Amino acid sequence: GQNIDQPTEMTATEGAIVQINCTYQTSGFNGLFWYQQHAGEAPTFLSYNVLDGLEEKGRFSSFLSRSKGYSYLLLKELQMKDSASYLCASMDSNYQLIWGAGTKLIIKP
Amino acid sequence: GAGVSQTPSNKVTEKGKYVELRCDPISGHTALYWYRQSLGQGPEFLIYFQGTGAADDSGLPNDRFFAVRPEGSVSTLKIQRTERGDSAVYLCASSSRLKPGELFFGEGSRLTVL
Repeated sequence: GQNIDQPTEMTATEGAIVQINCTYQTSGFNGLFWYQQHAGEAPTFLSYNVLDGLEEKGRFSSFLSRSKGYSYLLLKELQMKDSASYLCASMDSNYQLIWGAGTKLIIKP
Repeated sequence: GAGVSQTPSNKVTEKGKYVELRCDPISGHTALYWYRQSLGQGPEFLIYFQGTGAADDSGLPNDRFFAVRPEGSVSTLKIQRTERGDSAVYLCASSSRLKPGELFFGEGSRLTVL
């Protein structure tokens, strides 16, 4: 079957670093995506990994290990506005996104 | 338009009624997706269009749900004989052929069935 696992909720402190993990199991693989969703808003695209390794984009980085079926999203220098849900999604062999339930990130001052 | 537009933003209806939700994707995006999302959950796939045709409708929960995209642009999701369990936020997204996983979402239509 197809499955995406990520923690339900995480708490971190403003200015700190947090790593949100995701494991995936899909029929075929065409990339791993991270989206950010603020409460009451639509998801917005953050990052895409299709090869192993780390992709850095400003304060956000995303890592992929295809052999382990594992990804993480790393957020540095946390700001209060980073409080949101972070959705992990794997693209399967039909180029369809299989979504996790999301990790709610709470930032405390 | 500049982004994906969905109407209505909010819809309250009574059990058994018919509803239509509309999505206007980003101009030029050939792929269009309908999802629904409940609180604390990820998007649940409903249907995917490539152009005018439904390329994958495996996520539609039953035959009360139907969607069309007659001219390859605007899409309408139609729900017949609504049930309380249909209450959710219905999200529409579009993407270009070059970047199929980079979805641009509308703000959603919040459906409440009383």
